[in-house]
Amino acid sequence: DSGVTQTPKHLITATGQRVTLRCSPRSGDLSVYWYQQSLDQGLQFLIQYYNGEERAKGNILERFSAQQFPDLHSELNLSSLELGDSALYFCASSVGSLNEQFFGPGTRLTVL
Amino acid sequence: DQQVKQNSPSLSVQEGRISILNCDYTNSMFDYFLWYKKYPAEGPTFLISISSIKDKNEDGRFTVFLNKSAKHLSLHIVPSQPGDSAVYFCAASASSGTYKYIFGTGTRLKVLA
Repeated sequence: DSGVTQTPKHLITATGQRVTLRCSPRSGDLSVYWYQQSLDQGLQFLIQYYNGEERAKGNILERFSAQQFPDLHSELNLSSLELGDSALYFCASSVGSLNEQFFGPGTRLTVL
Repeated sequence: DQQVKQNSPSLSVQEGRISILNCDYTNSMFDYFLWYKKYPAEGPTFLISISSIKDKNEDGRFTVFLNKSAKHLSLHIVPSQPGDSAVYFCAASASSGTYKYIFGTGTRLKVLA
């Protein structure tokens, strides 16, 4: 158990819909990262927050947005969903920005 | 543009033998590298890391080697055990950059009993 929690574990929705994925980092970790893993693909970095502020951005689509709240939990919002958005979405946390990251169990999103 | 490449999608090794997983990178600014292990239906788990000031880091059965001139790193597992069967990802980051980690596509290791 990494100490990072993600909800929900599974999410099935239809094209065009909007969903919110939630992540609670390990106690004491200030950085939260979001990754997307499509079938047989590596982990694609989406975005990082550090203590509530956006720190780094990767290949995140404009239809996706994220935020980190004062209690340090983070949400990833995916809107106007397309079939290709079906993937595993992982959240990770770390103490700082260049420390080892601890990953949550992921949320499997299926867009039908 | 794949800045971190793991060119072997899969690898099979006999139990007790050495497993060598390779990773190549293209960005010379990368100076911190990590290996993660991932079991099905779980998130990746941190395994070992190496900074560019070193060329080797060891932790039990796991050793990571870094060849900066070749922009290549490798993970050695000795001896390999069936429980090591998983997908292994390497990741790289630049401390002078935007702090994000770039992950490779992973190598699926199967250790045969």
